[in-house]
Amino acid sequence: GAVVSQHPSRVICKSGTSVKIECRSLDFQATTMFWYRQFPKQSLMLMATSNEGSKATYEQGVEKDKFLINHASLTLSTLTVTSAHPEDSSFYICSARERGDLYEQYFGPGTRLTVT
Amino acid sequence: QKEVEQNSGPLSVPEGAIASLNCTYSDRGSQSFFWYRQYSGKSPELIMFIYSNGDKEDGRFTAQLNKASQYVSLLIRDSQPSDSATYLCAVKGYNFNKFYFGSGTKLNVKP
Repeated sequence: GAVVSQHPSRVICKSGTSVKIECRSLDFQATTMFWYRQFPKQSLMLMATSNEGSKATYEQGVEKDKFLINHASLTLSTLTVTSAHPEDSSFYICSARERGDLYEQYFGPGTRLTVT
Repeated sequence: QKEVEQNSGPLSVPEGAIASLNCTYSDRGSQSFFWYRQYSGKSPELIMFIYSNGDKEDGRFTAQLNKASQYVSLLIRDSQPSDSATYLCAVKGYNFNKFYFGSGTKLNVKP
């Protein structure tokens, strides 16, 4: 149980275009989803926290107009990178937490974004 | 000051030895503490979590927490080459939702 999927697993896009990444909880209802970014040889940096049905809370320094997060249902959250630039190339990982679970977050497999 | 600090390593141990990984955190109000393992190019997977002072054992893994010293560690007994990975320490802070990750310690277990 507690499986989180992400789609796509890899994406290459041209500079200036937008990319949407989907995060789904497959067998549980995720009241909270987190979006992380990880650059090579660095740790996970929390970008934003989203709760179902409400606006995402962004971490300091993360542009909410550039990284659009939608958590429209209890099983789906999306991250859209708008007007992508090469410096946005990174490994994007989502995680999800089930209602009532105080301790665990379940990670998706990640999406490798390359902006050319 | 970083919220969660780890030695980046690499930490090299021979197969069968005990690997000791350490983590310190800055927020005294932190509630719970997590160890994740991350293989290259993959997302993290939870090894264990701890929220009370003392030791917590799960198989070959033991997490140790000392809130007074703001210190958490992970011991891996009988280390195997398959344990070679980056180990991330994460802390759930005063804000109920947020997890803060350390930069990770790379562990190499030599056959």
